[in-house]
Amino acid sequence: AQSVAQPEDQVNVAEGNPLTVKCTYSVSGNPYLFWYVQYPNRGLQFLLKYITGDNLVKGSYGFEAEFNKSQTSFHLKKPSALVSDSALYFCAVSLARSNDYKLSFGAGTTVTVRA
Amino acid sequence: DTEVTQTPKHLVMGMTNKKSLKCEQHMGHRAMYWYKQKAKKPPELMFVYSYEKLSINESVPSRFSPECPNSSLLNLHLHALQPEDSALYLCASSRGGALAEGLGEQFFGPGTRLTVL
Repeated sequence: AQSVAQPEDQVNVAEGNPLTVKCTYSVSGNPYLFWYVQYPNRGLQFLLKYITGDNLVKGSYGFEAEFNKSQTSFHLKKPSALVSDSALYFCAVSLARSNDYKLSFGAGTTVTVRA
Repeated sequence: DTEVTQTPKHLVMGMTNKKSLKCEQHMGHRAMYWYKQKAKKPPELMFVYSYEKLSINESVPSRFSPECPNSSLLNLHLHALQPEDSALYLCASSRGGALAEGLGEQFFGPGTRLTVL
């Protein structure tokens, strides 16, 4: 069985400061890892994914994530946070099936960026 | 067209009503999903259709009935719902195929906010 954990319910940062949202995973086999963001009253938006290859993955809106196999982590980072980055962030891991992908989501982390 | 659309945006229904949620995508995706999401919680998978066939049913009560009329369209039929079924219902799609090819991300619609009275 696969799962992800987001140890922080909330992250608060000042605009312009670095933003980190933590995620650890537990899978048997190769992990397929994703980050999604959800703005109020909206659906989830895909930010980035790790399937294989380079451990540093770059995604949308200036976000990046680093896959660390030894620490089983996939933390989301942004060098300089914006107020508009305030949202709910979900880490997810996928179990690859033949034609569809069952995502297991973390509990979510609410990010608040203050001006 | 790179979006998933859902109608209606909001729905209020009584416990004896029958209603349907609709989801549409024109990205040529062959896997489509229904999720239920409560406030501030992660989405919970309900159903997966793969190549228009039901692939996963996460032990969802029979008062929820999915339907996939064609590769672009996904419906969720609702009947005799309970107040605890009030939630945001999200539809998503993905390309299908081997995940290792890097095609695994799911694209989500904006959701239907359902209130059961």
